[in-house]
Amino acid sequence: QQQVKQSPQSLIVQKGGISIINCAYENTAFDYFPWYQQFPGKGPALLIAIRPDVSEKKEGRFTISFNKSAKQFSLHIMDSQPGDSATYFCAAALEANDYKLSFGAGTTVTVRA
Amino acid sequence: DVKVTQSSRYLVKRTGEKVFLECVQDMDHENMFWYRQDPGLGLRLIYFSYDVKMKEKGDIPEGYSVSREKKERFSLILESASTNQTSMYLCASLNRADEAFFGQGTRLTVV
Repeated sequence: QQQVKQSPQSLIVQKGGISIINCAYENTAFDYFPWYQQFPGKGPALLIAIRPDVSEKKEGRFTISFNKSAKQFSLHIMDSQPGDSATYFCAAALEANDYKLSFGAGTTVTVRA
Repeated sequence: DVKVTQSSRYLVKRTGEKVFLECVQDMDHENMFWYRQDPGLGLRLIYFSYDVKMKEKGDIPEGYSVSREKKERFSLILESASTNQTSMYLCASLNRADEAFFGQGTRLTVV
């Protein structure tokens, strides 16, 4: 049973548009929520992460929004660029559980020029 | 730069073979992980190690075992490969700031 549910499975956005990926989790004890970016032929790499004591975190064009009461978090990619075309995974973990990551199913983002 | 190196990018093995997937990290990380990646399922944790000779089962350990004899090396073993173990296997190590670094993956095909 997947502990983190991710949607959509794929999305296509025009260059300059906004990409939004949503995730929902079950375990209220999770205290670490990273997003990983994976390009074809590569392993995933950490993009941005948030902890539940803040509702939003921004790094460049990437923003995580976090809603603790709804047990949901999302990734917004502003001004999407063709180089952002990749698969994005949300994940959740528990510091007390050695940060074993539970991943969502992944979202393939295609940015059209 | 942290480096997590997986010994093979592609492997083709026969059903019933014993398969070894090797992973080496160069940053003295204590925690290492093996995940399997399948389309529509994301990454699922197979096994985890938090120290030399220590291991814990993840979510899908059946049909797999692991070995960690040295801190930098974490091996995944398929005792008797089956076709349903055809997948992408990803090794990761974790630094103290909770960032997981992944290798490039081994695409295993069992025929």
